[in-house]
Amino acid sequence: DARVTQTPRHKVTEMGQEVTMRCQPILGHNTVFWYRQTMMQGLELLAYFRNRAPLDDSGMPKDRFSAEMPDATLATLKIQPSEPRDSAVYFCASGLVAATPDTQYFGPGTRLTVL
Amino acid sequence: KNQVEQSPQSLIILEGKNCTLQCNYTVSPFSNLRWYKQDTGRGPVSLTIMTFSENTKSNGRYTATLDADTKQSSLHITASQLSDSASYICVVSVNYGGATNKLIFGTGTLLAVQP
Repeated sequence: DARVTQTPRHKVTEMGQEVTMRCQPILGHNTVFWYRQTMMQGLELLAYFRNRAPLDDSGMPKDRFSAEMPDATLATLKIQPSEPRDSAVYFCASGLVAATPDTQYFGPGTRLTVL
Repeated sequence: KNQVEQSPQSLIILEGKNCTLQCNYTVSPFSNLRWYKQDTGRGPVSLTIMTFSENTKSNGRYTATLDADTKQSSLHITASQLSDSASYICVVSVNYGGATNKLIFGTGTLLAVQP
Protein backbone atom coordinates (compact mmCIF):
# COMPACT_ATOMS: atom_id res chain seq x y z
CA ASP A 1 0.00 0.00 0.00
CA ALA A 2 1.99 2.97 -1.30
CA ARG A 3 1.83 6.10 0.83
CA VAL A 4 3.39 9.50 1.14
CA THR A 5 5.48 9.68 4.30
CA GLN A 6 6.44 12.79 6.21
CA THR A 7 8.85 13.40 9.05
CA PRO A 8 8.73 14.58 11.71
CA ARG A 9 5.04 14.21 12.54
CA HIS A 10 5.30 16.86 15.25
CA LYS A 11 7.81 19.61 15.82
CA VAL A 12 7.96 22.19 18.58
CA THR A 13 10.65 24.83 18.27
CA GLU A 14 11.49 28.30 19.42
CA MET A 15 11.24 31.41 17.32
CA GLY A 16 14.34 31.97 15.25
CA GLN A 17 15.29 28.31 14.95
CA GLU A 18 15.63 26.48 11.65
CA VAL A 19 13.02 23.86 10.84
CA THR A 20 13.36 21.18 8.17
CA MET A 21 10.44 18.99 7.14
CA ARG A 22 10.89 15.95 4.94
CA CYS A 23 8.64 14.13 2.54
CA GLN A 24 9.00 10.86 0.69
CA PRO A 25 6.59 10.82 -2.27
CA ILE A 26 4.99 7.66 -3.60
CA LEU A 27 7.48 5.78 -5.76
CA GLY A 28 6.96 6.64 -9.41
CA HIS A 29 5.08 9.88 -8.81
CA ASN A 30 6.57 12.84 -10.62
CA THR A 31 4.85 15.78 -8.93
CA VAL A 32 5.27 16.87 -5.33
CA PHE A 33 3.30 19.55 -3.55
CA TRP A 34 3.79 21.34 -0.24
CA TYR A 35 0.71 22.72 1.52
CA ARG A 36 0.15 24.57 4.76
CA GLN A 37 -3.08 24.24 6.72
CA THR A 38 -4.29 26.55 9.47
CA MET A 39 -7.68 26.99 11.07
CA MET A 40 -8.01 30.48 9.66
CA GLN A 41 -6.76 29.96 6.11
CA GLY A 42 -7.49 26.32 5.42
CA LEU A 43 -5.16 24.60 2.95
CA GLU A 44 -2.75 26.79 1.00
CA LEU A 45 -0.36 25.69 -1.72
CA LEU A 46 3.22 26.70 -0.92
CA ALA A 47 5.17 25.08 -3.74
CA TYR A 48 5.15 22.29 -6.25
CA PHE A 49 7.71 20.32 -8.20
CA ARG A 50 7.49 18.30 -11.38
CA ASN A 51 10.28 15.86 -12.15
CA ARG A 52 12.19 17.46 -9.24
CA ALA A 53 12.14 20.91 -10.83
CA PRO A 54 10.32 23.70 -8.96
CA LEU A 55 7.37 24.91 -11.07
CA ASP A 56 5.59 27.24 -8.72
CA ASP A 57 6.59 28.57 -5.33
CA SER A 58 4.56 31.76 -5.45
CA GLY A 59 2.66 30.78 -2.31
CA MET A 60 5.80 30.60 -0.24
CA PRO A 61 7.38 33.49 1.72
CA LYS A 62 10.73 33.53 -0.09
CA ASP A 63 12.69 35.30 2.60
CA ARG A 64 12.40 32.45 5.07
CA PHE A 65 11.02 29.41 3.26
CA SER A 66 12.84 27.17 0.81
CA ALA A 67 11.77 23.94 -0.87
CA GLU A 68 14.01 21.44 -2.63
CA MET A 69 14.00 17.96 -4.12
CA PRO A 70 17.53 16.63 -3.85
CA ASP A 71 16.40 13.36 -5.43
CA ALA A 72 13.21 11.66 -6.60
CA THR A 73 12.60 10.07 -3.20
CA LEU A 74 13.01 13.13 -1.00
CA ALA A 75 11.46 16.58 -0.84
CA THR A 76 12.32 19.09 1.87
CA LEU A 77 10.71 22.26 3.15
CA LYS A 78 12.89 24.48 5.27
CA ILE A 79 12.00 27.52 7.37
CA GLN A 80 14.82 29.75 8.56
CA PRO A 81 14.30 31.62 10.81
CA SER A 82 10.97 30.29 12.06
CA GLU A 83 8.30 32.59 13.49
CA PRO A 84 5.20 31.92 15.64
CA ARG A 85 2.95 32.67 12.65
CA ASP A 86 4.48 29.68 10.86
CA SER A 87 2.70 27.37 13.32
CA ALA A 88 0.51 25.13 11.17
CA VAL A 89 0.24 21.65 9.74
CA TYR A 90 2.40 21.18 6.66
CA PHE A 91 1.28 18.58 4.17
CA CYS A 92 3.19 17.02 1.34
CA ALA A 93 1.28 15.45 -1.54
CA SER A 94 2.48 13.56 -4.59
CA GLY A 95 0.88 12.71 -7.89
CA LEU A 96 1.45 11.57 -11.43
CA VAL A 97 1.09 14.28 -14.02
CA ALA A 98 0.30 11.79 -16.76
CA ALA A 99 -2.74 10.52 -14.88
CA THR A 100 -6.16 11.89 -15.78
CA PRO A 101 -7.36 13.34 -13.56
CA ASP A 102 -4.23 14.04 -11.60
CA THR A 103 -5.12 12.78 -8.15
CA GLN A 104 -2.90 14.02 -5.36
CA TYR A 105 -2.12 11.73 -2.47
CA PHE A 106 -1.49 13.48 0.81
CA GLY A 107 0.91 12.53 3.56
CA PRO A 108 -0.07 12.60 7.24
CA GLY A 109 1.39 16.07 7.75
CA THR A 110 3.91 17.68 10.08
CA ARG A 111 2.38 19.70 12.90
CA LEU A 112 4.70 22.61 13.58
CA THR A 113 4.50 24.77 16.67
CA VAL A 114 6.79 27.78 16.91
CA LEU A 115 6.92 29.29 20.40
CA LYS B 1 -10.46 36.09 -8.04
CA ASN B 2 -10.56 32.28 -7.84
CA GLN B 3 -12.54 31.28 -4.78
CA VAL B 4 -14.24 28.23 -3.36
CA GLU B 5 -16.85 28.69 -0.65
CA GLN B 6 -18.42 25.95 1.39
CA SER B 7 -21.48 25.77 3.59
CA PRO B 8 -22.30 25.12 6.28
CA GLN B 9 -19.07 25.66 8.20
CA SER B 10 -20.04 22.91 10.60
CA LEU B 11 -22.84 20.41 10.93
CA ILE B 12 -24.01 17.97 13.58
CA ILE B 13 -26.24 15.06 12.61
CA LEU B 14 -27.42 11.85 14.20
CA GLU B 15 -26.06 8.53 13.07
CA GLY B 16 -28.13 7.05 10.26
CA LYS B 17 -29.34 10.39 8.94
CA ASN B 18 -28.51 11.88 5.55
CA CYS B 19 -26.85 15.23 4.97
CA THR B 20 -25.81 17.48 2.10
CA LEU B 21 -22.81 19.77 1.99
CA GLN B 22 -22.59 22.67 -0.44
CA CYS B 23 -19.79 24.18 -2.48
CA ASN B 24 -19.90 27.29 -4.67
CA TYR B 25 -16.97 28.35 -6.75
CA THR B 26 -15.78 31.19 -8.92
CA VAL B 27 -12.85 29.57 -10.66
CA SER B 28 -11.69 29.91 -14.23
CA PRO B 29 -10.57 28.12 -16.30
CA PHE B 30 -12.28 25.18 -14.62
CA SER B 31 -10.70 21.76 -14.96
CA ASN B 32 -12.32 19.53 -12.37
CA LEU B 33 -13.90 19.54 -8.93
CA ARG B 34 -12.88 17.24 -6.11
CA TRP B 35 -14.26 16.42 -2.70
CA TYR B 36 -11.78 15.38 -0.03
CA LYS B 37 -12.41 13.89 3.39
CA GLN B 38 -9.97 14.84 6.12
CA ASP B 39 -10.04 12.96 9.39
CA THR B 40 -8.66 14.74 12.43
CA GLY B 41 -4.88 14.61 12.46
CA ARG B 42 -4.57 13.14 8.98
CA GLY B 43 -4.09 14.29 5.43
CA PRO B 44 -7.03 14.76 3.02
CA VAL B 45 -8.21 11.72 1.08
CA SER B 46 -9.93 12.04 -2.28
CA LEU B 47 -13.59 10.97 -2.39
CA THR B 48 -14.68 12.01 -5.87
CA ILE B 49 -13.35 13.90 -8.88
CA MET B 50 -15.71 15.33 -11.50
CA THR B 51 -14.88 16.97 -14.81
CA PHE B 52 -16.94 19.63 -16.56
CA SER B 53 -19.16 17.10 -18.35
CA GLU B 54 -20.02 15.01 -15.30
CA ASN B 55 -23.14 15.83 -13.26
CA THR B 56 -22.89 13.21 -10.59
CA LYS B 57 -20.45 10.71 -9.19
CA SER B 58 -20.78 8.25 -6.35
CA ASN B 59 -18.33 6.59 -4.02
CA GLY B 60 -20.20 4.25 -1.71
CA ARG B 61 -22.49 6.32 0.50
CA TYR B 62 -21.03 9.56 -0.88
CA THR B 63 -22.64 11.14 -3.94
CA ALA B 64 -21.30 14.34 -5.44
CA THR B 65 -23.16 16.51 -7.93
CA LEU B 66 -21.88 19.27 -10.16
CA ASP B 67 -23.74 22.05 -11.93
CA ALA B 68 -21.15 23.75 -14.09
CA ASP B 69 -23.64 26.42 -15.21
CA THR B 70 -24.35 27.70 -11.72
CA LYS B 71 -20.87 26.72 -10.48
CA GLN B 72 -22.23 24.72 -7.61
CA SER B 73 -21.48 21.30 -6.23
CA SER B 74 -22.92 19.25 -3.42
CA LEU B 75 -21.79 16.21 -1.49
CA HIS B 76 -24.59 14.00 -0.19
CA ILE B 77 -23.88 11.48 2.54
CA THR B 78 -26.42 8.71 2.94
CA ALA B 79 -27.06 6.76 6.15
CA SER B 80 -24.28 8.51 8.04
CA GLN B 81 -21.91 6.59 10.26
CA LEU B 82 -19.77 7.71 13.17
CA SER B 83 -16.71 7.29 10.94
CA ASP B 84 -18.07 9.99 8.63
CA SER B 85 -17.14 12.57 11.27
CA ALA B 86 -14.47 14.61 9.53
CA SER B 87 -13.83 17.79 7.59
CA TYR B 88 -15.03 17.71 3.99
CA ILE B 89 -13.12 19.95 1.63
CA CYS B 90 -14.25 21.06 -1.80
CA VAL B 91 -11.37 21.65 -4.20
CA VAL B 92 -11.56 23.11 -7.69
CA SER B 93 -8.77 22.49 -10.14
CA VAL B 94 -7.62 25.24 -12.48
CA ASN B 95 -5.72 24.53 -15.66
CA TYR B 96 -3.69 27.45 -16.89
CA GLY B 97 -2.50 25.48 -19.91
CA GLY B 98 0.30 23.49 -18.31
CA ALA B 99 0.24 19.78 -17.62
CA THR B 100 -0.32 20.22 -13.90
CA ASN B 101 -3.45 21.77 -12.50
CA LYS B 102 -3.52 24.23 -9.63
CA LEU B 103 -5.90 23.45 -6.79
CA ILE B 104 -8.09 26.04 -5.10
CA PHE B 105 -9.29 24.81 -1.71
CA GLY B 106 -12.45 25.62 0.20
CA THR B 107 -12.17 26.01 3.96
CA GLY B 108 -14.18 22.87 4.57
CA THR B 109 -17.32 21.74 6.37
CA LEU B 110 -16.75 20.08 9.72
CA LEU B 111 -19.22 17.22 10.12
CA ALA B 112 -19.90 15.55 13.45
CA VAL B 113 -22.01 12.40 13.48
CA GLN B 114 -23.42 11.63 16.90
CA PRO B 115 -24.75 8.28 18.11
